[in-house]
Amino acid sequence: NAGVTQTPKFQVLKTGQSMTLQCAQDMNHEYMSWYRQDPGMGLRLIHYSVGAGITDQGEVPNGYNVSRSTTEDFPLRLLSAAPSQTSVYFCATRKWGNEQFFGPGTRLTVL
Amino acid sequence: GESVGLHLPTLSVQEGDNSIINCAYSNSASDYFIWYKQESGKGPQFIIDIRSNMDKRQGQRVTVLLNKTVKHLSLQIAATQPGDSAVYFCAESQGAGNMLTFGGGTRLMVKP
Repeated sequence: NAGVTQTPKFQVLKTGQSMTLQCAQDMNHEYMSWYRQDPGMGLRLIHYSVGAGITDQGEVPNGYNVSRSTTEDFPLRLLSAAPSQTSVYFCATRKWGNEQFFGPGTRLTVL
Repeated sequence: GESVGLHLPTLSVQEGDNSIINCAYSNSASDYFIWYKQESGKGPQFIIDIRSNMDKRQGQRVTVLLNKTVKHLSLQIAATQPGDSAVYFCAESQGAGNMLTFGGGTRLMVKP
């Protein structure tokens, strides 16, 4: 049981490049979400999903896309990376109504 | 690590002392509150939660107090240990675990 896994751990992009951050869970949790964490700030919700085929926007969705084709995976796509997207990205999962479990994070730098 | 707050408020305590970390929340409609611990280079880890129909909840060495009148949440850690050194975040939501809004965090440093 690996819990919540995220890949890659580190990534450097040039402005305008696109990429996908991967998140996978083996706990059969319905709810998955993506957060970003900037220095000196708490986590801010980007997108979330309450189950396969269902996604919705969080607090800061612009510049990101998500999809949820399976219960296990919830990839986050950056369409055209910008320096303002330099951050640490966390994926989280939970069973409905219970505590969230966070992955180890992906540290992204956009030059 | 450096990604979790270069300018966070810091609480420094002596090992063995009790720690109290405070959080003010803004949404009077929030009815579910969580405390998370985040160690350097790791994701947040659940510590304890409380619903708005309670004023106090205790866990192992931790107690959360909720004052809805002044929209204030606190986390008390008894007999603080070096392993408690981390950044602590409060989070609030309307409904258990729905869209969470995180506070800015407090760095706890435990001196041996």
